[in-house]
Amino acid sequence: AQSVTQLDSQVPVFEEAPVELRCNYSSSVSVYLFWYVQYPNQGLQLLLKYLSGSTLVKGINGFEAEFNKSQTSFHLRKPSVHISDTAEYFCAVSEPGGANNLFFGTGTRLTVIP
Amino acid sequence: KAGVTQTPRYLIKTRGQQVTLSCSPISGHRSVSWYQQTPGQGLQFLFEYFSETQRNKGNFPGRFSGRQFSNSRSEMNVSTLELGDSALYLCASSLEVVTEAFFGQGTRLTVV
Repeated sequence: AQSVTQLDSQVPVFEEAPVELRCNYSSSVSVYLFWYVQYPNQGLQLLLKYLSGSTLVKGINGFEAEFNKSQTSFHLRKPSVHISDTAEYFCAVSEPGGANNLFFGTGTRLTVIP
Repeated sequence: KAGVTQTPRYLIKTRGQQVTLSCSPISGHRSVSWYQQTPGQGLQFLFEYFSETQRNKGNFPGRFSGRQFSNSRSEMNVSTLELGDSALYLCASSLEVVTEAFFGQGTRLTVV
């Protein structure tokens, strides 16, 4: 089974500063990769996904992520954060052709400081 | 296009009782997955249904069960509730292969 590691449980950052949230996954086989955001008492909203093709993926709200197969990483970045980006962020992976479910990391709590 | 709808949003139950949660997927999606979210264990996969058949199951005891109807709506049942079952239960719908999963707002279950 896949495992996903989010190295930072909490990331504080000042408003308008850049941020990177790190994600590593275990398998070297072909995978689909996702980043989700969760606001308090809400479900998960998809930020972006990597299925194939270009390793740089752009998502909603100015976020982007880069797929690095050799390092089995999929780090999320934003050049300038806003207060409204304060939320929990989850990295997830699925295996095409395998079980149709997502394996999630433990989440990173991003706190944007005014 | 309507999103994934989960009902109810909040539930309080007593230990030993049973509970049924409901999930209506996005129109046209035939795969429905359930996840349990707790502060200690994070997001854990419960099971997935596709075309009324359980296709995949996570590592949860048999007290957790589900089903899917012909209109793709799904229900999840937990019997003999324990305090540790208190969690946010999330439902996700997708096409046959999960290239994108859409989540509902969840049902917050509290067991007292």
